Amino acid sequence: SQQGEEDPQALSIQEGENATMNCSYKTSINNLQWYRQNSGRGLVHLILIRSNEREKHSGRLRVTLDTSKKSSSLLITASRAADTASYFCATVLNSGYSTLTFGKGTMLLVSP
Amino acid sequence: DVKVTQSSRYLVKRTGEKVFLECVQDMDHENMFWYRQDPGLGLRLIYFSYDVKMKEKGDIPEGYSVSREKKERFSLILESASTNQTSMYLCASRQIRAQGANTEAFFGQGTRLTVV
Repeated sequence: SQQGEEDPQALSIQEGENATMNCSYKTSINNLQWYRQNSGRGLVHLILIRSNEREKHSGRLRVTLDTSKKSSSLLITASRAADTASYFCATVLNSGYSTLTFGKGTMLLVSP
Repeated sequence: DVKVTQSSRYLVKRTGEKVFLECVQDMDHENMFWYRQDPGLGLRLIYFSYDVKMKEKGDIPEGYSVSREKKERFSLILESASTNQTSMYLCASRQIRAQGANTEAFFGQGTRLTVV
C-alpha cells in the first residue's frame, strides 16, 4: 500500500529558481527519506530525516518534517538543469526491520 | 564504493517463460528488496528478505517468487511471465542490524523487462 504521496506530480522551473516538493503520509514513522531518480536509472539516496527532527540540510537541499501533519517537504535551492529528475519520498515505520514505502514521485524539469 | 548490481539492464521474454532477475550487493547488507516501477504507480514492493533463506511478501507478490541462498544475492523469479509483468524492476539493499531503522537503501540500476 502507498504510504507517501508526493505533490505536485510534475514541476517545471527555470534554472536558478527554487523547487519545493511535498510528501504526505498516513501512519507514524521512524524516519522519512528522499531519493532521486534520473530517467531510466536506479534511485539514489539524498537525505534522511528522523521523526524527532524538524529540519535538515545537505548542500542545496533542505528537508522539513511535520509529524503532527504527517508531511515533509524537500526544497532544492538555486536549481540547475542537472537537477532534472524524479524525486521520491520513502517512509520507514517504527520497526528495526521495517521496509521503505515509496510514494509516486514528483518529476522535476529544470530548464536552462 | 557501495554497489548493487542487477544482471541485466534490458530483457525481452516471451509469455509463459520462466524469468530470473539477479541482484548482487557487495556491502554485506542483511536486508534486500525487489520493487517494480510503473508510470503513475511509483515503486511497489514485491518481496524482501532479512537474511539468507528468509523472505517476506511485499504489497504485490502474486506471480513472483524469490530466492536468497547467499547473503549477497537476491533473485526474483517470474514463474510464468505475462504481459502485465512488463515493467522496470529495481533491486535494493540496506543495512539493518547495527543501525536499526535509520539507514538508507542502495539501489541497482534497474532492469527493464518486456514480456511479449
